[in-house]
Amino acid sequence: EIMMTNSPATLSVSPGERATLSCRASQNVNSNLAWYQQKPGQAPRLLIYGASTRATGIPDRFSGSGSGTEFTLTISSLHSEDFALYYCQQYNNWPNAFGQGTKLEIK
Amino acid sequence: QVQLVQSGGEVKKPGASVKVSCKASGYTFTSYSISWVRQAPGQGLEWMGWISVYNGNTNYIQKFQGRVTMTTDTSTNIVYMALGNLRSDDTAVYYCVRGNRGQLGPFDHWGQGTLITVSS
Repeated sequence: EIMMTNSPATLSVSPGERATLSCRASQNVNSNLAWYQQKPGQAPRLLIYGASTRATGIPDRFSGSGSGTEFTLTISSLHSEDFALYYCQQYNNWPNAFGQGTKLEIK
Repeated sequence: QVQLVQSGGEVKKPGASVKVSCKASGYTFTSYSISWVRQAPGQGLEWMGWISVYNGNTNYIQKFQGRVTMTTDTSTNIVYMALGNLRSDDTAVYYCVRGNRGQLGPFDHWGQGTLITVSS
């Protein structure tokens, strides 16, 4: 099974600044990588799929990059509503696997 | 708009069973698969398995085989997830999620979640 690792576990950034979140896969997942955002008490929301394609309604300050085993989610200028948990997920191989998440907190 | 509406939370005793429903609307029900993902308190996301709404085929991760059953009722657009022989570590929020690639993600719509608490 493929293991996914989100890093760092916690990231402290000030509003208006840029945030860079990382995700590593234990094996090649090509570009079959998704990012989700989860706010307290809510279900996760799909942000990015195919490593770099924004889901419907996702602002363009969110961008994804990478392929193979190394991936990055970048939020270009943080808004207050962006402070949340972020998970990556690989869907190249069965079973689907999620990372343990990065908590993006206000600095 | 696409909606997945789940049944309400439940409290169960160890050894009992639970059945969670997920009613889909706003899209052609049989054109997408449904998976179930759970999240223990303060923990990450765990994919449990998948059902093809089109033909009822299922596949579960080994951890849940023998304990979980996913079914679908195409007359009402509802998917069910039953989990038996509950243990305290099954306490979690259970989400139904829509996928468009069979057993594999991404998952573009999520239910609101159902909290299942297992406690004696």
